[in-house]
Amino acid sequence: GQQVMQIPQYQHVQEGEDFTTYCNSSTTLSNIQWYKQRPGGHPVFLIQLVKSGEVKKQKRLTFQFGEAKKNSSLHITATQTTDVGTYFCAEGLFGNQFYFGTGTSLTVIP
Amino acid sequence: EAQVTQNPRYLITVTGKKLTVTCSQNMNHEYMSWYRQDPGLGLRQIYYSMNVEVTDKGDVPEGYKVSRKEKRNFPLILESPSPNQTSLYFCASSRGTEGAFFGQGTRLTVV
Repeated sequence: GQQVMQIPQYQHVQEGEDFTTYCNSSTTLSNIQWYKQRPGGHPVFLIQLVKSGEVKKQKRLTFQFGEAKKNSSLHITATQTTDVGTYFCAEGLFGNQFYFGTGTSLTVIP
Repeated sequence: EAQVTQNPRYLITVTGKKLTVTCSQNMNHEYMSWYRQDPGLGLRQIYYSMNVEVTDKGDVPEGYKVSRKEKRNFPLILESPSPNQTSLYFCASSRGTEGAFFGQGTRLTVV
């Protein structure tokens, strides 16, 4: 299957610091989706990027899709304790095939 | 309320005893999938379905079966569970390649 690599695997930040997770692929991605999974919860869809170089924002979250459509990033400004969880990227292919990255687990220290 | 409902939420079973995990969605989505989540491995797709009576293997289908007789339901069947199928399972539905809606998860332990 597709290989979507995600780094880092874990990240601890002090509350108020910024956080970034990266998704990389060796092949061109059709799109990139981002999900958040709170501890003990289920993945929740955040956003989808489709166009080369696309940037979207949701409050303190900024999502970018690389110009070559081989990488993506999620940046959180001034983290809060509510940001705790695991963030996954995924490529969604026609026919409901989704390839998920391994996730980045974010811990926010108050 | 739009949702994907899985049952049971927790299950402990013995090796070889057939079990079914049910999944139902109320959003009239064409697409449904099953995933397993294991530490360090992320979410891996087991099976997916594009519509009624249309199913296909994902990345890790061995030891699992699915059926899609109705649009809203997509049960996951383990005919002869083994300990390496101990995992957290998620059902999801979506419309096309739009974001997927996930169920609450089923934590399965096979002893």
